[in-house]
Amino acid sequence: DARVTQTPRHKVTEMGQEVTMRCQPILGHNTVFWYRQTMMQGLELLAYFRNRAPLDDSGMPKDRFSAEMPDATLATLKIQPSEPRDSAVYFCASGLAGGPDTDTQYFGPGTRLTVL
Amino acid sequence: AQSVTQLGSHVSVSEGALVLLRCNYSSSVPPYLFWYVQYPNQGLQLLLKYTTGATLVKGINGFEAEFKKSETSFHLTKPSAHMSDAAEYFCAVSDQGGGFKTIFGAGTRLFVKA
Repeated sequence: DARVTQTPRHKVTEMGQEVTMRCQPILGHNTVFWYRQTMMQGLELLAYFRNRAPLDDSGMPKDRFSAEMPDATLATLKIQPSEPRDSAVYFCASGLAGGPDTDTQYFGPGTRLTVL
Repeated sequence: AQSVTQLGSHVSVSEGALVLLRCNYSSSVPPYLFWYVQYPNQGLQLLLKYTTGATLVKGINGFEAEFKKSETSFHLTKPSAHMSDAAEYFCAVSDQGGGFKTIFGAGTRLFVKA
């Protein structure tokens, strides 16, 4: 069945290194979200895209984070340089705006990032 | 502006007991309302959602929720808890016609005692 996939599932890196997380949304979905989840802050929306164009990235620290959709089947989230406070689980979700299933989000399994 | 409040960050019930997880929302336009569940080390998955029409919504795993506009509530219930229901539950709201912008609550962790 159709699922959102994310790679890598786990990433351990050292402070200052670049981190790239990838997401493959469900085929045909036109809206893609990036979230960060921590114990302290809960689930935070970082950015979301519609038809590959960014709609809202106000939740993302602009100095070190960037999100793109090179094509409809791939979304990326980069952190450069990474810091220990970026340690979290990063989720990608996708959905189809405008149809009967509108506003329902389908989440990937997440990328657990640890920055030492 | 939208907001979601989940009352109780932790709820503990005995197996077989009623599950009640509370959610209140605010929205300036008719809302879509959702409950998502997150099992350990997994992403969120949709339990149920309210869009329009019938205010009592049935979801997966025996859960249901009732949209009460006058109380701005969307509480989640299940008549009889099972050990496998132990998870974190998130209430969420989006504006109808708002283009998918969704606000999630802080989550309620459900513990089920044998």
